[in-house]
Amino acid sequence: DTAVSQTPKYLVTQMGNDKSIKCEQNLGHDTMYWYKQDSKKFLKIMFSYNNKELIINETVPNRFSPKSPDKAHLNLHINSLELGDSAVYFCASSRGRFGANVLTFGAGSRLTVL
Amino acid sequence: SQKIEQNSEALNIQEGKTATLTCNYTNYSPAYLQWYRQDPGRGPVFLLLIRENEKEKRKERLKVTFDTTLKQSLFHITASQPADSATYLCAFNNAGNMLTFGGGTRLMVKP
Repeated sequence: DTAVSQTPKYLVTQMGNDKSIKCEQNLGHDTMYWYKQDSKKFLKIMFSYNNKELIINETVPNRFSPKSPDKAHLNLHINSLELGDSAVYFCASSRGRFGANVLTFGAGSRLTVL
Repeated sequence: SQKIEQNSEALNIQEGKTATLTCNYTNYSPAYLQWYRQDPGRGPVFLLLIRENEKEKRKERLKVTFDTTLKQSLFHITASQPADSATYLCAFNNAGNMLTFGGGTRLMVKP
């Protein structure tokens, strides 16, 4: 029974298209995140939601729009995809935000923009 | 700006030896430091958390130290096994902000 599941696992698309990645957690956690991992393996925070409320919005192009319909789901929609958006996107969740809270990650969604 | 550094070169060791990975940080005073393991094609998995007032934390064959004077954390795996081969990420934060991750160090344990 997967704790944090994200779909799709692989996404190959053309520049200019719009795509979405979905994430669900069944851990009862209050906080969810989107991280981007580039080719150099750095994990960078993009967004964080706490009980459906946006609490972190790092310097991310506004082509990226997160949506949290409820605290168990956090989706990521990307408009007008660019080559530089190619990366692995990880969804994660934690019981609370900040501090000593530990993150549980999904398996990642590898986005390739051609 | 705050920075967290891990050795980007892979660490190759022989099975049975102790692996030691380093995480250094600058321009920051974290209250918490975490270590994660990441296998190819998978998300990071939490291993250990250590607080600034703790010098050392252990879990089975794993040991983490946190030296706030040196601004460094060391991650040790004793009696290493080929199954320990993975990328290990350190991350830090305070009570009021998000985790910042290092770039990870790849560990290869040879039989």
